Amino acid sequence: GQNIDQPTEMTATEGAIVQINCTYQTSGFNGLFWYQQHAGEAPTFLSYNVLDGLEEKGRFSSFLSRSKGYSYLLLKELQMKDSASYLCAVVDSNYQLIWGAGTKLIIKP
Amino acid sequence: DTAVSQTPKYLVTQMGNDKSIKCEQNLGHDTMYWYKQDSKKFLKIMFSYNNKELIINETVPNRFSPKSPDKAHLNLHINSLELGDSAVYFCASSQETSGGAVTGELFFGEGSRLTVL
Repeated sequence: GQNIDQPTEMTATEGAIVQINCTYQTSGFNGLFWYQQHAGEAPTFLSYNVLDGLEEKGRFSSFLSRSKGYSYLLLKELQMKDSASYLCAVVDSNYQLIWGAGTKLIIKP
Repeated sequence: DTAVSQTPKYLVTQMGNDKSIKCEQNLGHDTMYWYKQDSKKFLKIMFSYNNKELIINETVPNRFSPKSPDKAHLNLHINSLELGDSAVYFCASSQETSGGAVTGELFFGEGSRLTVL
């Protein structure tokens, strides 16, 4: 079967750095998305990786290793507004999106 | 202007009733989706429509039926509601090439929280 694994919950301190991991086992791979979802709101797009390596976008970076079936989202200079769930989603060989359950990130002052 | 809008945002109803959730997108996208997000926060694809053709239909009970009058609208009709239907339903859209291929980001509506009593 197809599976996406992320930690259920993480806690970090304002101003610090946090890394949220995502591992996947899917039938084929055609890209990986990270979305942010604040409580009670819709998911919003953060990043898309299809090649190995690190993609940087402001305070957020996303890394992909296709050989390891692994990605991480790196958040720097954490702010209270970064408290949210972070969803990893993989595009499989049929170009369908497979979603993880998300990682709830709690930021403390 | 809201890119993807869905109504109502909240819906409380009794078991056995029939209800609809409407969705509209003004992005000019070719494909629209309905997702169900349950209490465990998994996003599960229910349907997607590409140019008014159903291209994904996961193992969803036939009590759920999508209706697309045009490519900017995808409504969700639910018959004979059950307790297990309580969830947040998200509409989304994306610009895709063909055959339902996900080649770009999805834009989500704000969600419709359905509570079945």
